[in-house]
Amino acid sequence: AQTVTQSQPEMSVQEAETVTLSCTYDTSESDYYLFWYKQPPSRQMILVIRQEAYKQQNATENRFSVNFQKAAKSFSLKISDSQLGDAAMYFCAVGTYKYIFGTGTRLKVLA
Amino acid sequence: EAQVTQNPRYLITVTGKKLTVTCSQNMNHEYMSWYRQDPGLGLRQIYYSMNVEVTDKGDVPEGYKVSRKEKRNFPLILESPSPNQTSLYFCASTASYNEQFFGPGTRLTVL
Repeated sequence: AQTVTQSQPEMSVQEAETVTLSCTYDTSESDYYLFWYKQPPSRQMILVIRQEAYKQQNATENRFSVNFQKAAKSFSLKISDSQLGDAAMYFCAVGTYKYIFGTGTRLKVLA
Repeated sequence: EAQVTQNPRYLITVTGKKLTVTCSQNMNHEYMSWYRQDPGLGLRQIYYSMNVEVTDKGDVPEGYKVSRKEKRNFPLILESPSPNQTSLYFCASTASYNEQFFGPGTRLTVL
């Protein structure tokens, strides 16, 4: 069975600083995708970044980047130059059409 | 505009009264799924559909039914709702490159 673990229920970061959210997973699939989603207070699920497991190069989207360690089954999200609008719940998800989500990390951004 | 719509957005009902939450997407995606989100548990997949007339159970299918008679629609049916089905429900539609597009969510309360 697939599992996704986010061991940090809550994190805080100072505005303009960098923060890293952790995610570990377990899967028996050989080909899969990994995602980070942001959920602001509006409850809308917003895709932050996506990584294909077969690609060694880490994905980057503006201030967001991942550190994907396939052998260690680790998929962390780094947010650089944190902004007040980054405050939200962040979910890690893994799978191929059938997805497993982690329990989320609440990120607070301090002014 | 590419989107996934859900109706209703909010629903308060009583135990045992059948209800349907509709989901529709305009992106011609073959794959759709339903999730429920509960505090501390993240998102858990209820059912998914790979194509018209093809549906399968996710991780928490008990008490739910789905149908996929046409590609764009994927309704979630609760034949006899119970209080433990009080939750936030998301419909999602998945592109061929595995990105999920989520609906705005339906907050269901069963008294």
